[in-house]
Amino acid sequence: EVHLLESGGGLVQPGGSLRLSCAASGFTFSDYAMSWVRQAPGKGLEWVSGISDSGSGTYYADSLRGRFTISRDNSKSTLYLHMNSLRAEDTAVYYCAKGGVSGTAMDVWGQGTTVTVSS
Amino acid sequence: DIQMTQSPSSLSASVGDRVTITCRASQSISPYLNWYQQKPGKVPKLLIYATSSLYSGVPSRFSGSGSGTDFTLTISSLQPEDFATYYCQQSYNTPVTFGQGTRLEIK
Repeated sequence: EVHLLESGGGLVQPGGSLRLSCAASGFTFSDYAMSWVRQAPGKGLEWVSGISDSGSGTYYADSLRGRFTISRDNSKSTLYLHMNSLRAEDTAVYYCAKGGVSGTAMDVWGQGTTVTVSS
Repeated sequence: DIQMTQSPSSLSASVGDRVTITCRASQSISPYLNWYQQKPGKVPKLLIYATSSLYSGVPSRFSGSGSGTDFTLTISSLQPEDFATYYCQQSYNTPVTFGQGTRLEIK
């Protein structure tokens, strides 16, 4: 069964940093692009970042470029999102998803991890 | 960036109704338009990809169509489990963008 499991969320102060992880199983991770999508409380879906299957291509929402960094370790079937200079408006549930860039749909989603930025 | 605009933002309908949700892109994106369903407190689910392809396990009452900048999601006969929020999304280029969502409520 294809499965994505996020971890690393939590409460962080404004200006702080956090690293999210997404462990994949049930498919050949290195064959697929991956994405991060977030959803602020009561709001819609917002694509955050995507990465190609090899990791050579990385893509970001314009508003997040420079603060967030996406990466992957294909040997560990794990996707990461490094978040710096966090702001209150970054508070959201963060989902990892299989696909989403290079013309593909996001066909598998994790359960999400909650990030709360507050003092 | 490609802007995605859904209409309506909310919709009330009854079980058995035929419902259509539209999505307009700010530039041509064919065929890279996908539809997702999200229920309250749940993870989004892929319904339709590449404009009109039904994702595995999705009931056949869901269908998608369109081309260029204008796309539709149709539910042929609403079932109780279909009341949810629906999002369109373009994967034509990055940054990937979603529509603002259409909340489908029970009349």
